Amino acid sequence: ETGVTQTPRHLVMGMTNKKSLKCEQHLGHNAMYWYKQSAKKPLELMFVYSLEERVENNSVPSRFSPECPNSSHLFLHLHTLQPEDSALYLCASSLIPGQGYEQYFGPGTRLTVT
Amino acid sequence: AQTVTQSQPEMSVQEAETVTLSCTYDTSESDYYLFWYKQPPSRQMILVIRQEAYKQQNATENRFSVNFQKAAKSFSLKISDSQLGDAAMYFCAYRGGDNNDMRFGAGTRLTVKP
Repeated sequence: ETGVTQTPRHLVMGMTNKKSLKCEQHLGHNAMYWYKQSAKKPLELMFVYSLEERVENNSVPSRFSPECPNSSHLFLHLHTLQPEDSALYLCASSLIPGQGYEQYFGPGTRLTVT
Repeated sequence: AQTVTQSQPEMSVQEAETVTLSCTYDTSESDYYLFWYKQPPSRQMILVIRQEAYKQQNATENRFSVNFQKAAKSFSLKISDSQLGDAAMYFCAYRGGDNNDMRFGAGTRLTVKP
């Protein structure tokens, strides 16, 4: 148990649906991250939040919309997704962003877009 | 942009033997951090070992050690006395000194044979 939880663990949605992924960390960290993990591709950083402020946005399509209401919670709102968006979405947290601080990962949400 | 390359998609090792996983990276920065993360099947990704670029001494954590060659931009992971529980995907990662972005390699799948 790394102290980072994600819900739901599995999600199947159609291309016209709207859904949200939730991440919660119980570690007192100030930075949170969203990653996309696709088969046979390196982990891709999507968003970074530091003290609820977005500090990194790696050219992610607007159909992915993050929200960080406080330093313990992070959401990823999904709408009009494409089949190629099917992947494992990982949330992570660290004490602060940058430098050598360890990132603690959640178990991920396995997303399938039909 | 920094890139991380893991040239071995799959590796296998006999239980109790030693295995080395390769990682190379490309950067123009002098201050950075390198990580090895482990992702067991259907389980959360966890940090195995971390190396600060300014430290010449190779990091070690019990049975895990690294061979950090800064000039060659190489960061290999050695697992000694391999155990069945070491079977997992191993990811090499790079982060610049003040950079929020963590770059991951594509991963190496390690199989441990009893």
